Amino acid sequence: EPEVTQTPSHQVTQMGQEVILRCVPISNHLYFYWYRQILGQKVEFLVSFYNNEISEKSEIFDDQFSVERPDGSNFTLKIRSTKLEDSAMYFCASRRTASVDTQYFGPGTRLTVL
Amino acid sequence: RKEVEQDPGPFNVPEGATVAFNCTYSNSASQSFFWYRQDCRKEPKLLMSVYSSGNEDGRFTAQLNRASQYISLLIRDSKLSDSATYLCVVNQNTGNQFYFGTGTSLTVIP
Repeated sequence: EPEVTQTPSHQVTQMGQEVILRCVPISNHLYFYWYRQILGQKVEFLVSFYNNEISEKSEIFDDQFSVERPDGSNFTLKIRSTKLEDSAMYFCASRRTASVDTQYFGPGTRLTVL
Repeated sequence: RKEVEQDPGPFNVPEGATVAFNCTYSNSASQSFFWYRQDCRKEPKLLMSVYSSGNEDGRFTAQLNRASQYISLLIRDSKLSDSATYLCVVNQNTGNQFYFGTGTSLTVIP
């Protein structure tokens, strides 16, 4: 069964450093998402991406965040200058079409900012 | 105002029990509704979509009440493996955002 994959599984970084979280969505899916989940809290929407552009973003997704689909298979989330409060689990998800609502989540990347 | 609200629990029930979770959503334009299951430190996994007429999948039954903006999940004959956090998720279909509730924690006790 096809699945969403994410790398790395755990990333440790120093405050102020840039990180790139990588995702490979399911191959015939067209909609891609990033979510974050701070430990003990709910899953929060960050951004959705369709047709090579951002379709929606939340208030959390400020100028320090960016997304890219550099090569037709990878979908990346870049955090330019990490803060302590960016420590969280980051989940990538993908969805096949607009008429199919089901999202499939990757296993997540745990980001720890020191 | 929260888009999706759930009772966080925890619910501790014995094996074989029936347990029900509730969820309310604030936006009456919401179109799609889901229950996801999340195990500790794992990704959310789709349990079932929720349809207007209500739907059942084995021991799990989901109901939607649009007038009250309320979704429910019923688990019958609870198993130890049902222990997890159950997430209520709502999509407005006018946009591309999915709103998650905080989740309801269930522990099934032997």
